[in-house]
Amino acid sequence: GAVVSQHPSWVICKSGTSVKIECRSLDFQATTMFWYRQFPKQSLMLMATSNEGSKATYEQGVEKDKFLINHASLTLSTLTVTSAHPEDSSFYICSAWDKALADRDTQYFGPGTRLTVL
Amino acid sequence: AQTVTQSQPEMSVQEAETVTLSCTYDTSESDYYLFWYKQPPSRQMILVIRQEAYKQQNATENRFSVNFQKAAKSFSLKISDSQLGDAAMYFCAYRSGNQFYFGTGTSLTVIP
Repeated sequence: GAVVSQHPSWVICKSGTSVKIECRSLDFQATTMFWYRQFPKQSLMLMATSNEGSKATYEQGVEKDKFLINHASLTLSTLTVTSAHPEDSSFYICSAWDKALADRDTQYFGPGTRLTVL
Repeated sequence: AQTVTQSQPEMSVQEAETVTLSCTYDTSESDYYLFWYKQPPSRQMILVIRQEAYKQQNATENRFSVNFQKAAKSFSLKISDSQLGDAAMYFCAYRSGNQFYFGTGTSLTVIP
């Protein structure tokens, strides 16, 4: 149980275009989803926290107009990287948790999305 | 501010031996949770073990166990009978309320 999927797993795009990444909780309802960014051989950097039906809370230094997060349902959150540039190339990971889960205090992670901006 | 520190960027262990990864954290909260996550080369984050701060008993999951020292704010992970599949990046994490904090990770190499 507690499976989280991400799509796509790898995307390559041209500079200036927008890219949407989907995060889905497959077998549970996630009231809260997190979006992280990870550079090679580094830790996870929390970008934002989203609760279903409300606006995402962004961490300091993360541009909310560039990284648009939508959590429209209890099983789906999307991250859109707008006007992507090469410096946005990174590994993006989502995670989800819900207080209704038996181990409700645990985050479950998606497999990640590798974004390459040319 | 809550912080999580992993002071060992890299560790290695002989197959079948035991290794301990260290983690310390800083918090003023009394109610929190601690986790160890494993990130293999596939980069999928996998929960290894979790510990509730209010529990005195150390959590165990098969070959994985923790040494939770609340007063010292220490949360180390012991891996017994190390296997080649244990090779990965290990992250210590802290949660209080809706906030999660991750350490910088320890890269574990298992030597055949």
